[in-house]
Amino acid sequence: ETGVTQSPTHLIKTRGQQVTLRCSSQSGHNTVSWYQQALGQGPQFIFQYYREEENGRGNFPPRFSGLQFPNYSSELNVNALELDDSALYLCASSSRLANSYEQYFGPGTRLTVT
Amino acid sequence: GQQLNQSPQSMFIQEGEDVSMNCTSSSIFNTWLWYKQEPGEGPVLLIALYKAGELTSNGRLTAQFGITRKDSFLNISASIPSDVGIYFCAGPLSGNTPLVFGKGTRLSVIA
Repeated sequence: ETGVTQSPTHLIKTRGQQVTLRCSSQSGHNTVSWYQQALGQGPQFIFQYYREEENGRGNFPPRFSGLQFPNYSSELNVNALELDDSALYLCASSSRLANSYEQYFGPGTRLTVT
Repeated sequence: GQQLNQSPQSMFIQEGEDVSMNCTSSSIFNTWLWYKQEPGEGPVLLIALYKAGELTSNGRLTAQFGITRKDSFLNISASIPSDVGIYFCAGPLSGNTPLVFGKGTRLSVIA
């Protein structure tokens, strides 16, 4: 069974730029959630994708957007990067069919905005 | 913002000691999840709890779902150096909503 993978591992961007982060869900999982984790904090929910549509969104501005593909993999896009966007971005996959709230996380992408 | 309160924020213990930490909320949760995160890694699911009063073990780890549904506890027995990390409680507020996390308890084990 393949776990959740994310790419890239690390990324450095300049304020105002755009970034795309990628996630491959665990095999058998159809739902992907994205979280932002600032230093010293717990993960904060950004949004969730199920059946290629956004299915719930946290308190993040529209410049945070995403996609889910037919193979359940997902992208997180952030436009007009700000310094405060520097964080660890985590992707988690789960299976709605299993009626379980258990989410399994990838290793994350560390984004630094300068 | 965060709706789960974890305590203690951090703890330093000697190898071999038992550890207790807890998580409380002003809201009722129907599911409690405990995760461990090590530096440079994503959170790893340790234990999932689904019923009030439930007590579940995973090796040296034991977690309990509080009767009021507003709290949960995690115990680690006979700690070892590889227990070092940040332990997070989490739960969905309702339905299929995503997870709300606490701020974590940072555990350090002194050999």
